[in-house]
Amino acid sequence: DAGVIQSPRHEVTEMGQEVTLRCKPISGHNSLFWYRQTMMRGLELLIYFNNNVPIDDSGMPEDRFSAKMPNASFSTLKIQPSEPRDSAVYFCASSIPSYEQYFGPGTRLTVT
Amino acid sequence: RKEVEQDPGPFNVPEGATVAFNCTYSNSASQSFFWYRQDCRKEPKLLMSVYSSGNEDGRFTAQLNRASQYISLLIRDSKLSDSATYLCVVNIPNTGNQFYFGTGTSLTVIP
Repeated sequence: DAGVIQSPRHEVTEMGQEVTLRCKPISGHNSLFWYRQTMMRGLELLIYFNNNVPIDDSGMPEDRFSAKMPNASFSTLKIQPSEPRDSAVYFCASSIPSYEQYFGPGTRLTVT
Repeated sequence: RKEVEQDPGPFNVPEGATVAFNCTYSNSASQSFFWYRQDCRKEPKLLMSVYSSGNEDGRFTAQLNRASQYISLLIRDSKLSDSATYLCVVNIPNTGNQFYFGTGTSLTVIP
């Protein structure tokens, strides 16, 4: 089992640019979660999907953030336009309902 | 009020010591409970699930107290490699399978 796959692992971009983060959940997991982690704010849930449908996006900071899950094996988190305060590690996780979550290795985003 | 509360620490203990972490949760509908471990600059990884009757995995013991709404993690005979941040997690099914993470407790085991 390859686990949760995220790409890219590192992203450095300039303020104002569009950033797209990608995630492939574990096969058979029908819940997918996007988190952001910083030293100041810890681990924050941004949005999660059940069966490809967004259930709760109340954690999405603002309209600059959007997430999609076009099918059971792929999700994207997009930031447009990016700002320096978006710099963080973004984790994707997947699970079977009520069972433990498995995290991907994260994408370390730096916006200059 | 946060769904999950943890003492952030840090806990600095000598090798061989026993250390305990507690975590409280606010929603009585919480159904599943977990402890995760996160190393610096890595993703959180499942350490162990927490069962109603309590469970043990080697040097690690997890317990659940539903009446008082807290879970605990006990680490015996601490090793240097136990140094990490430990995250308490609860799952509440009637929120659509959402997981709630504590802010984590930092542990450093000192030689």
